[in-house]
Amino acid sequence: AQSVTQLGSHVSVSEGALVLLRCNYSSSVPPYLFWYVQYPNQGLQLLLKYTSAATLVKGINGFEAEFKKSETSFHLTKPSAHMSDAAEYFCAVSEGGGSNYKLTFGKGTLLTVNP
Amino acid sequence: DAGITQSPRHKVTETGTPVTLRCHQTENHRYMYWYRQDPGHGLRLIHYSYGVKDTDKGEVSDGYSVSRSKTEDFLLTLESATSSQTSVYFCAISEAEGKNTEAFFGQGTRLTVV
Repeated sequence: AQSVTQLGSHVSVSEGALVLLRCNYSSSVPPYLFWYVQYPNQGLQLLLKYTSAATLVKGINGFEAEFKKSETSFHLTKPSAHMSDAAEYFCAVSEGGGSNYKLTFGKGTLLTVNP
Repeated sequence: DAGITQSPRHKVTETGTPVTLRCHQTENHRYMYWYRQDPGHGLRLIHYSYGVKDTDKGEVSDGYSVSRSKTEDFLLTLESATSSQTSVYFCAISEAEGKNTEAFFGQGTRLTVV
């Protein structure tokens, strides 16, 4: 089974600083990877997804992630943090085959943005 | 926003009572999922469905059952609620033609078992 590991349950940055949220996956086959964001008291929404078309994936709200097979990583970055980026972020990997498909999530990273 | 409605949004129930949570979609998506979210654990899959009457267990299925009698509805039942099932429950849907389609999430149901 595939899995994802998010390094750091809590990341704190200053407004305007670089955001880096780490995600590593374990897989013996090319994975399909996702980043989701959850704002307080809301469900999850998709930020971006990797589907093997390009290793650098751009998402909403200025976020991007780079797939690095050699490092089995899919880290999420944003050049300049905004107060509105404060939320919890989840990395996820798809697994399954045939008619069975499901998402497995990491434990999440809470991003705090300080003024 | 994807048409996903979870009901109820909040519920308090007593230990030992059965509880049913409902997920209703208007997107005609094939896949439906139930997750629970707990601090320090992220989201964990309880059960999922890949078609009407086709369901399978996730990683934390003990104490839960599901049913899907029609495409738009996926029910999660706690047979006899316990305090360890106090959690926020999320329903998700996906078209999943290929592994690269994303899941869309409902707003969640906050369940408290006292």
